[in-house]
Amino acid sequence: DGGITQSPKYLFRKEGQNVTLSCEQNLNHDAMYWYRQDPGQGLRLIYYSQIVNDFQKGDIAEGYSVSREKKESFPLTVTSAQKNPTAFYLCASSLDRVGNQPQHFGDGTRLSIL
Amino acid sequence: QKEVEQNSGPLSVPEGAIASLNCTYSDRGSQSFFWYRQYSGKSPELIMFIYSNGDKEDGRFTAQLNKASQYVSLLIRDSQPSDSATYLCAADSYFRLGAGGGADGLTFGKGTHLIIQP
Repeated sequence: DGGITQSPKYLFRKEGQNVTLSCEQNLNHDAMYWYRQDPGQGLRLIYYSQIVNDFQKGDIAEGYSVSREKKESFPLTVTSAQKNPTAFYLCASSLDRVGNQPQHFGDGTRLSIL
Repeated sequence: QKEVEQNSGPLSVPEGAIASLNCTYSDRGSQSFFWYRQYSGKSPELIMFIYSNGDKEDGRFTAQLNKASQYVSLLIRDSQPSDSATYLCAADSYFRLGAGGGADGLTFGKGTHLIIQP
């Protein structure tokens, strides 16, 4: 079945540590996105990529980094510079960069600070 | 700043009644609108999208769009307890980036929490 796989489901970060969240899709989608969701809040865009080897900062990119070396994969690294990383992280993809394409989400990763 | 506004609720509806969820958007350039359902602790799931003024029906769900009023709504007929969730409205937006570039994306509302009472 086609879909978006995020791992791990739960992740704990120690002070000063970088952690990487995995996102893989087999939908053959060009565009991929990372969002952060805090309790009672909407989705806030961290980074997005519209094509391999290209990505753009979203609204809250500080303290995060990404790479897009393969079409299927868009990992997100939460660096030690992100002082408030506890949140629900969602990866999404869409067919292409055109705005009328719906985005489909993975199951998410919950990140907490130890 | 482009915005999508939703009443956070909770909106409480008796089982079997019609649930009406509303959304307004600020970007007049938005052309595509999406409704997602998000159960507690889960990721959003796409349930409807609408591009043209008027109504679009899919089973028990009807999406309504009025571009002149910048208003989108979702109606759920014959509401079931399993419809209890948070419903997110999203509109396509053009995000301006540095160096004169830009890209399409979605702006999400914060969601309306719907409770269907048995």
